[in-house]
Amino acid sequence: GENVEQHPSTLSVQEGDSAVIKCTYSDSASNYFPWYKQELGKRPQLIIDIRSNVGEKKDQRIAVTLNKTAKHFSLHITETQPEDSAVYFCAAYFGDAGNMLTFGGGTRLMVKP
Amino acid sequence: GAGVSQSPRYKVAKRGQDVALRCDPISGHVSLFWYQQALGQGPEFLTYFQNEAQLDKSGLPSDRFFAERPEGSVSTLKIQRTQQEDSAVYLCASSPRIAGVGEQYFGPGTRLTVT
Repeated sequence: GENVEQHPSTLSVQEGDSAVIKCTYSDSASNYFPWYKQELGKRPQLIIDIRSNVGEKKDQRIAVTLNKTAKHFSLHITETQPEDSAVYFCAAYFGDAGNMLTFGGGTRLMVKP
Repeated sequence: GAGVSQSPRYKVAKRGQDVALRCDPISGHVSLFWYQQALGQGPEFLTYFQNEAQLDKSGLPSDRFFAERPEGSVSTLKIQRTQQEDSAVYLCASSPRIAGVGEQYFGPGTRLTVT
């Protein structure tokens, strides 16, 4: 089945710096890659997603890049703010294997004021 | 509008007890997913419903786990003879789309602790 690896597991940055989180996936047929943000004790919320026919997508301070050949995708957060502190999960979807999203292990991002 | 809701939010069960966890998806959402999230880990897929049909239950860890969605709206995840390894947060998500492409709207989860 699909396997998603996420790095780093923790990331500490100074307010205003950029943060980058990277994920690799195993199944080359995966075609949808969402990123979820989960604050402590709260539900995961979608922050950005990308489909396999696109190489990059940007939404204000957040961007995601996808390299299908290398089977990896990354989340980029610029001008980080303390409210960006949370756990971020990447995920991959491969429709023919079922209807599941396979999640990475998560990255705890801490933005220091 | 109202989001996905789950009840109870917290459940403590003694080992061997049966538990039932409820999910109320967003009205009209066709797809419903259950995930298990262990402490410090990402959510892991358990099962998927399209309306009332359970199309994928490949993630259920054992035959002690059972899920249903009889009328295509509310869903219940039942765990029989709970074990300590069942302790986790159980997340429900719904989507207006068929299958997994597109945003899944998550509930707040039920934190199950088995003592």
